[in-house]
Amino acid sequence: DQQVKQNSPSLSVQEGRISILNCDYTNSMFDYFLWYKKYPAEGPTFLISISSIKDKNEDGRFTVFLNKSAKHLSLHIVPSQPGDSAVYFCAASGSSAGNMLTFGGGTRLMVKP
Amino acid sequence: DAMVIQNPRYQVTQFGKPVTLSCSQTLNHNVMYWYQQKSSQAPKLLFHYYDKDFNNEADTPDNFQSRRPNTSFCFLDIRSPGLGDAAMYLCATSTLDGPYEQYFGPGTRLTVT
Repeated sequence: DQQVKQNSPSLSVQEGRISILNCDYTNSMFDYFLWYKKYPAEGPTFLISISSIKDKNEDGRFTVFLNKSAKHLSLHIVPSQPGDSAVYFCAASGSSAGNMLTFGGGTRLMVKP
Repeated sequence: DAMVIQNPRYQVTQFGKPVTLSCSQTLNHNVMYWYQQKSSQAPKLLFHYYDKDFNNEADTPDNFQSRRPNTSFCFLDIRSPGLGDAAMYLCATSTLDGPYEQYFGPGTRLTVT
């Protein structure tokens, strides 16, 4: 049973526009959420996180929104740049799980010039 | 810069020939993890260490072993690689008490011939 799901395997966006990547989770014990970015042949790079006590966290062009009642989070990238083209993984953790992360299946973002 | 280093970046081994992948970190993190990632799937946790305390995931094959001789180094041993073990192997670290960001190395791409 997948506890963290990214239902869109791919997303294509025009440069300068907004990219919205979505993630759903089922485990109500999750209280910390992260987004990672992965280029081919490289390890995932931590991008941004959010604690369940917040509903929004912003870092430059990247904003993560958390809707706890819907068990849904999203990553907004504004404006999108060609260098943002990568696979994005959302991940979740909970105090009961210690440091363990549960990853979603990833969404491949392609930003077209 | 503090970082997670994996060597080699690319490893080719023959079917059944033991292989060792290495990971080192300068972050001084207590927790180290080994993941297996195939294609662009979610990283799959193989095992992790809380300091020297080894924790094996229930579905990690016996073919996979690990050693952590000190805080900085961790090794993944594959005793008899099969074709199905060809994958990207990722090492990650995190602090013990949170926040729960894990910091990944660049990965080792293992090819089994």
